[in-house]
Amino acid sequence: EPEVTQTPSHQVTQMGQEVILRCVPISNHLYFYWYRQILGQKVEFLVSFYNNEISEKSEIFDDQFSVERPDGSNFTLKIRSTKLEDSAMYFCASSVQGGDEKLFFGSGTQLSVL
Amino acid sequence: SQKIEQNSEALNIQEGKTATLTCNYTNYSPAYLQWYRQDPGRGPVFLLLIRENEKEKRKERLKVTFDTTLKQSLFHITASQPADSATYLCARRATSGTYKYIFGTGTRLKVLA
Repeated sequence: EPEVTQTPSHQVTQMGQEVILRCVPISNHLYFYWYRQILGQKVEFLVSFYNNEISEKSEIFDDQFSVERPDGSNFTLKIRSTKLEDSAMYFCASSVQGGDEKLFFGSGTQLSVL
Repeated sequence: SQKIEQNSEALNIQEGKTATLTCNYTNYSPAYLQWYRQDPGRGPVFLLLIRENEKEKRKERLKVTFDTTLKQSLFHITASQPADSATYLCARRATSGTYKYIFGTGTRLKVLA
């Protein structure tokens, strides 16, 4: 079965550094998402992306965050200047359409900001 | 704002019994609810979707109900097995016309052999 692939699985960085988290969504999917989950807390929406632009974003997704689909397969999340509170598991997800559609999640990138 | 609430207490049951998990939501009734399974350190995996006009949905040993009067969905696992041990998440769209899905905190289920 097709799956969403995320790299790296773990990322350790120093506070203030830039990180890029990478995702390869399922090939025929049109909607892409980033979620994050702080240890022991709920899965939180960050951003949705469709037709090469952001369709929605949460309050968490401030100017330090950006997303990009640089080619036909990759979908990236960039955090420009990481903070301690950005430490979390970041999940990429995709869906065929954006309506009543199930989300396919990747295995996540565990980001640790020191 | 829309909320989804799940019993954050862990649920321990004996193998072979039926596990029942609850999801309550506030404000407007979503057109559908989704249930996911999440194992430690892994992404959520979709299990079932139930629409507001469906009272019940089944898939193998899983059953989901949707009560728009009570604003509640129940998720049942019959003949539970230790391999069913995981956290189960309920999800809905934040509002109609949005593609932002919000998740409950999840209920951790442990099936004892």
